Amino acid sequence: AQSVTQLDSQVPVFEEAPVELRCNYSSSVSVYLFWYVQYPNQGLQLLLKYLSGSTLVKGINGFEAEFNKSQTSFHLRKPSVHISDTAEYFCAVGPANNLFFGTGTRLTVIP
Amino acid sequence: EAGVAQSPRYKIIEKRQSVAFWCNPISGHATLYWYQQILGQGPKLLIQFQNNGVVDDSQLPKDRFSAERLKGVDSTLKIQPAKLEDSAVYLCASSQALGDRGFPEQFFGPGTRLTVL
Repeated sequence: AQSVTQLDSQVPVFEEAPVELRCNYSSSVSVYLFWYVQYPNQGLQLLLKYLSGSTLVKGINGFEAEFNKSQTSFHLRKPSVHISDTAEYFCAVGPANNLFFGTGTRLTVIP
Repeated sequence: EAGVAQSPRYKIIEKRQSVAFWCNPISGHATLYWYQQILGQGPKLLIQFQNNGVVDDSQLPKDRFSAERLKGVDSTLKIQPAKLEDSAVYLCASSQALGDRGFPEQFFGPGTRLTVL
C-alpha cells in the first residue's frame, strides 16, 4: 500500500523568502517520488522526480527536493520564491502506472 | 509539440443526467490516464489504457462510469447517471508506453470541471 501526506494545506510566504513544502510517504514497494505543480485552471506539470541515485534532486523553476529514506520524507524547497510560484503543489508516490497523490499544498507568495 | 487536449473545459449538469468528456493525448503516447480531482484533494486515478486496452480500472465506479479508447488514440469518459458527488475536475494524462526506457513522465491536460446540481 502507498500513501502520501502533505502536512500543510496552505503556505503563505513573502516574495524572495525561502520556502519548504513538506511531504511524507509510505510505500511497500520501490519508492518513486514526484512533485507536481498546478497553476489555476491548468493541468499538473512535473517539477521534479526521484527514481534512484542522488538523494538531492533538482527540478525546474529553481526547485529542489531531498529524499530522506529514514524519515520517509521528500520535502520540496526553493531558496527564493517569486510571485509566479503561487500555485498548488502535489507530492506523489508510485510505480510508473499508478501514482498516489497527496492532498496538495497551496503556496501563496505575498508581494 | 501539442499538449494533451481536453473538452469541454466546463460542464454543468443536473443529477441523473449523462455527460461525456473527450481527451486527445500527445501524439505517439501509448498510455492514457483519466483522473478525478475532487476539490481539496489530489488527483485519483480512475482508469489507465495502454493503446486501446485497459491496464487498470480498479478505481473506476463501473456502475456509472465508463471509458473507451477504441483506436488507441483519443478517449472518452462517460458518467451515466451523474450524482452530486461526481462534481470534480476530470484530468486526462498521457505518457509513452510503460516499459520504455526510464520512467515515462505523465503529461496532463487542463481538465474538465464538472458541476452536478
